[in-house]
Amino acid sequence: QKEVEQDPGPLSVPEGAIVSLNCTYSNSAFQYFMWYRQYSRKGPELLMYTYSSGNKEDGRFTAQVDKSSKYISLFIRDSQPSDSATYLCAMSAQGNEKLTFGTGTRLTIIP
Amino acid sequence: DGGITQSPKYLFRKEGQNVTLSCEQNLNHDAMYWYRQDPGQGLRLIYYSQIVNDFQKGDIAEGYSVSREKKESFPLTVTSAQKNPTAFYLCASTLIQGGIRGYTFGSGTRLTVV
Repeated sequence: QKEVEQDPGPLSVPEGAIVSLNCTYSNSAFQYFMWYRQYSRKGPELLMYTYSSGNKEDGRFTAQVDKSSKYISLFIRDSQPSDSATYLCAMSAQGNEKLTFGTGTRLTIIP
Repeated sequence: DGGITQSPKYLFRKEGQNVTLSCEQNLNHDAMYWYRQDPGQGLRLIYYSQIVNDFQKGDIAEGYSVSREKKESFPLTVTSAQKNPTAFYLCASTLIQGGIRGYTFGSGTRLTVV
């Protein structure tokens, strides 16, 4: 079993819909949780990060962490075609060291 | 502007050749990482370095080698011992201390065996 599991998709939704992306993990030592966005043939870029459990909002993006269930989510409201990308979750037990990545979910927003 | 630069963007390797992928950062980051990305497998860690002249193997180090002679530079050599080198290679860097910031990634090098 992988330490971090992420549904690879692909996921297609119409423009304006709410998107929910999820990861589960098995290592209870993970405390730092991040979401990256990767456009085709580019490097990933950090979207959001959270520490421990709870919610964090940034514009149209909301990150949620439920440590009791070992489950994290990224919600995208009012989705736009420019949100079409692969989204990777990442987590670590020690801050910026040794991130463990999910496999990524490929998302397409249909105009 | 500060950033992390990978070169070349595309690289073709013949069977039995060693090739070196360049990674340079001007962010004054301590740690640098090499990942390999294949479809459906996410990012797999090849090597990482937290300090000059020191580096550690990741999950898939066989057939690869690295050096860290300068803080800014972390080149990756794909040797002929790597049997399936065709992939997208990503270099990343970060500051280990000083708050959560995740990794900064380069734009990647796509390596193809011909």
